Amino acid sequence: AQKVTQAQTEISVVEKEDVTLDCVYETRDTTYYLFWYKQPPSGELVFLIRRNSFDEQNEISGRYSWNFQKSTSSFNFTITASQVVDSAVYFCALSETMTGFQKLVFGTGTRLLVSP
Amino acid sequence: EPEVTQTPSHQVTQMGQEVILRCVPISNHLYFYWYRQILGQKVEFLVSFYNNEISEKSEIFDDQFSVERPDGSNFTLKIRSTKLEDSAMYFCASSELAGPNEQFFGPGTRLTVL
Repeated sequence: AQKVTQAQTEISVVEKEDVTLDCVYETRDTTYYLFWYKQPPSGELVFLIRRNSFDEQNEISGRYSWNFQKSTSSFNFTITASQVVDSAVYFCALSETMTGFQKLVFGTGTRLLVSP
Repeated sequence: EPEVTQTPSHQVTQMGQEVILRCVPISNHLYFYWYRQILGQKVEFLVSFYNNEISEKSEIFDDQFSVERPDGSNFTLKIRSTKLEDSAMYFCASSELAGPNEQFFGPGTRLTVL
């Protein structure tokens, strides 16, 4: 069964600290996609990244980086030099071939609080 | 930049009443979705829709729910007889293509059932 686990419910850091949000997934499919979405206090869901199961290269986008490791079924997200504006709930999500990629299965989210 | 819009932003209703939540997907998108998020919990898939048909639905999407694309722009979610546990944020999303493409989410409609 498809499942996404974000074990960290809430993380508090001080501005400029680095922080890593963990995501562990379960799937029986060999072809799947992983996503990260950000939900700021205003409530909307903002797409951050998509990664397919055949591409294990790490990705960096500005202060954001993602570490995908199939061996541990993890897709962790690191924010470098965090800022107050990074405060939000971050969701990891999975999409599989078996469901025709028709749906995203979300984790429970990690609330990140960045204080000045 | 094109975006998904949803109306209303907040809907308050009495238990047992019917509600219709409206969404305008991005104009060239062909795949549409509804998700819900009960306060403080994770986002859950409800239904996907393509070519005027439901493609997939979750266990949550029972007979009380229906979706429709009444015209070329709107995509609606109807709850026939609301229950207290239907109180949640409902997100509409759309994607241009089939497959695991980015789903663009609307800002959500907060539904409160009293």
